[in-house]
Amino acid sequence: SYELTQPPSVSVSPGQTATITCSGDKLGDTYVSWYQRRPGQSPVLVIYEDAKRPSGISERFSGSNSGNTATLSIRGTQAMDEADFYCQAWDTSSAYVVFGGGTKLTVL
Amino acid sequence: EVLLLESGGDLGQPGGSLRLSCAASGFTFSSYAMSWVRQPPGKGLEWVSGISGHGGNSYFADSVKGRFSVSRDNSKDTLYLQMNSLKAEDTAFYFCVKDRRFYYDTRSAFDMWGQGTLVTVS
Repeated sequence: SYELTQPPSVSVSPGQTATITCSGDKLGDTYVSWYQRRPGQSPVLVIYEDAKRPSGISERFSGSNSGNTATLSIRGTQAMDEADFYCQAWDTSSAYVVFGGGTKLTVL
Repeated sequence: EVLLLESGGDLGQPGGSLRLSCAASGFTFSSYAMSWVRQPPGKGLEWVSGISGHGGNSYFADSVKGRFSVSRDNSKDTLYLQMNSLKAEDTAFYFCVKDRRFYYDTRSAFDMWGQGTLVTVS
C-alpha cells in the first residue's frame, strides 16, 4: 500500500518560516492536500492541489510538490500555528485516500 | 453555514455492529463526495471510506473492507457508515468529511469536517 512519510515533529522560532515535508514514491505525479489540527478542534484544510489555499486561509501558508516530496511552508510563524499537520494524497493504484502520519509543529 | 453533525458513536462489542450517521446542512449535499475519516486515540488520521455524490461509487480502506459499508440518502442530506464485525482496532473518533468534488480522484480534498463521534470497541 502507498505510504506518506512525515517527520514526527518540527520546531520553529516565532516569526521564522516553518517547513514540513511529506514524502512518497512519485508523489509529484499526484496532488497533495494539507490539514491543520489544533488541539481539541477538527482538522482544517489549509492547502489543496499542492499549492492552492481555501478561502479564509492565511497567505502565510504555501505548498509545493515535486519528485517524491511535498512541502508545506508557514511564513512568519505564530504561536497560534502550533498544531498537528497532516498531508494527504490519492493513491491511484488502489483508489483510496492516504494520510501521512502527521507532524507536530511547535513554536518555541 | 456548513455543518456536519455525526451521531451513533457508542461502546460496541467485538464482533458486534454499530451504525454512524452524519447530518449535513448548509450546502447542496448531493453535489459532493463524502468520506469517513477516523483517528484512534494518540494516533494519526486514517481514511476509512468514501462515496461519490450520487452514491454510485464507494471506496474502502483495506482495514475495513468487507466489514464496513457506506451509503447516503441525498433526500435527507445524510451520510451513513455501517460497521460490522467490529474489532478493538476500530476504536477511534470518526469524522464525517465533505470533499471539494463530486467524484473521488487525484484532486480530492476534504474542505469541511464534523466534530467527530467516538466509537469504542471493548
